[in-house]
Order: sequence, then structure tokens, then C-alpha cells
Amino acid sequence: DIQMTQSPSSLSASVGDRVTITCRASQGIRNDLGWYQQKPGKAPQRLIYAASSLQSGVPSRFSGSGSETEFTLTISSLQPEDFATYYCLQYNNYPWTFGQGTKVEIK
Amino acid sequence: EVQLVESGGGLVQPGGSLRLSCTASGFTFGNHAMNWVRQAPGKGLEWVSGISGAGGSTFYADSVKGRFTVSRDNSKNTLYLQVNSLRVEDTAVYYCARGWTDCWGQGTLVTVSS
Repeated sequence: DIQMTQSPSSLSASVGDRVTITCRASQGIRNDLGWYQQKPGKAPQRLIYAASSLQSGVPSRFSGSGSETEFTLTISSLQPEDFATYYCLQYNNYPWTFGQGTKVEIK
Repeated sequence: EVQLVESGGGLVQPGGSLRLSCTASGFTFGNHAMNWVRQAPGKGLEWVSGISGAGGSTFYADSVKGRFTVSRDNSKNTLYLQVNSLRVEDTAVYYCARGWTDCWGQGTLVTVSS
């Protein structure tokens, strides 16, 4: 199975900060990776697919990059509504696997 | 509008069974693979199972293989997850998601407890 190692597990940041979250795959997965945002009590919402494609309706301050084993989600200027938990998901190979999650908290 | 609505969750004793359903609307259901993802209380997301659009191919996480069965009825726009031999560690909110997980339902809670 492909392991996804996500870091950091949590971070504190201020409104306006640039935030970067990383996922590393245990083997190459091309660009078969998505990024998701989840708020408490709600279903996850996809932000990025195919590693760098922005989901329709998602603000342009979110961006994704990377391929094969190293991937990054960047929030260019953190907004109050962005405080949430973020997950990566590899869908290159079954079983699909999520990263452990990154909780973004208010500093 | 694309909509996915899960149902069928509840409280069940260890060893028990449930059938979860996910009813789809707003898109051509049979054209899309579907997936189940779960989240234990206070924990992260775990992919559970997937099924191709026609239903001919199914996939499972090792943690549920042999106990859970995914199926679909494209005439009813409905996805199912038969969950058998339930364990306490299967307690979670179960979400259905379309295809490459671009759309998700609101989830249904399964609680396994004696």
C-alpha cells in the first residue's frame, strides 16, 4: 500500500500569513493527488485535484504543486474562513490513502 | 445540483450488520465510480471502498475486506455498503463520494457498542 506522510500535523498562523502543507508518498503516484478542507461537523470539500488543478469555486489563494512523491498545498494569504483541517489523498493505486491531516489554527 | 444523501447508520452491537445507502441526484449516476470514506470520532479520513460505474469492479481497504461489500443499483441512483461483523473500531461517520471525490454526502453515523 502507498503511505502518505503529511506535515505538519498542526500549525498556528495569523490572518494574512502564507501557509504551506506537505505530503510525501512512499512511492511515485504521478499527479494523482487531491487536497481537501474539512471544518468541524462537516464533510470534506475538495480544493485541488490532479496535484495542481483548482476545484471550481475554490478561491485562487489556494494552490497545489508537486508530482510523484512530493506535494505541497499553499494558502497564499490565510483568511478567517480557512481555519480548518486539511488532508491529502492519493488515488493512483488502490487502496487509496489519505495523509494524517493538518489542523490550521489561529495564532 | 449534484447531491449525495447517505442513510442507514445507527447503533449496532459488535458482530452486527447494517446496510448503508447513498442516493444520488443531479448527475448521471452510472457514469461515475463511487467511493465510501469514513472518519472515526476525532480522527482522520480513511478510504473504505470503491466501485466502478457499471459495478463490475470493487475495491476495499484491508481493514474491511471480507466484512464489507459495496454495490450499486444504477436504476435507483443508489450506492450501498453492506457492513457485517462490525467491530467497535468501525464506529465512524461514513461518507459517500463521487468519482475522484469531487462531491461528498453529509455522512451517516455508525456506532458499534454493546
